[in-house]
Amino acid sequence: DGGITQSPKYLFRKEGQNVTLSCEQNLNHDAMYWYRQDPGQGLRLIYYSQIVNDFQKGDIAEGYSVSREKKESFPLTVTSAQKNPTAFYLCASSIRLEQFFGPGTRLTVL
Amino acid sequence: QQPVQSPQAVILREGEDAVINCSSSKALYSVHWYRQKHGEAPVFLMILLKGGEQMRHEKISASFNEKKQQSSLYLTASQLSYSGTYFCGTEWVRANAGGTSYGKLTFGQGTILTVHP
Repeated sequence: DGGITQSPKYLFRKEGQNVTLSCEQNLNHDAMYWYRQDPGQGLRLIYYSQIVNDFQKGDIAEGYSVSREKKESFPLTVTSAQKNPTAFYLCASSIRLEQFFGPGTRLTVL
Repeated sequence: QQPVQSPQAVILREGEDAVINCSSSKALYSVHWYRQKHGEAPVFLMILLKGGEQMRHEKISASFNEKKQQSSLYLTASQLSYSGTYFCGTEWVRANAGGTSYGKLTFGQGTILTVHP
């Protein structure tokens, strides 16, 4: 079964801690993306990667970091520098046109 | 710059029609439409490309007016399952890296569609 998996589904962290969100795909897609969604808002692009070992900042990259060491994996680290990290985080991948989304991780900072 | 969707919310009775618009201030290469149920991931509906034809997915169709830099999503004879938030994602630049095309999308704020029995 091909798809995108994100883990964990719910994540709680204390203020000041770094946390890494996992995103894995077995669709053999080259491009991968991370979005942030706040309540009642659209999706905002954090980082994206077209190929392995390469990634670009999106519109709201401050306080986040990523790596792309393998084609199927694109983890996102939310650092303590991110001032308001509580949000729904969505990972997506694409090979040509449409983007396919994972189920998301809901991060809450306590 | 974020595309602007209108209306912000629509309430329908089953069987009624609706139109959702997505407008951009910049020239568009493509417009992507997604539907998201509460707490779930967005689900792809269709893509409209510059110079392309009007697209259709079951009783949902969409058009792309390049001149007006606008796309419209038409929901015909709405069903309860159509309820959700509809997002348009606009692509302004089609970039290539190593022979692979990818799309950097900017999403609108969403239109909440509620269909009642």
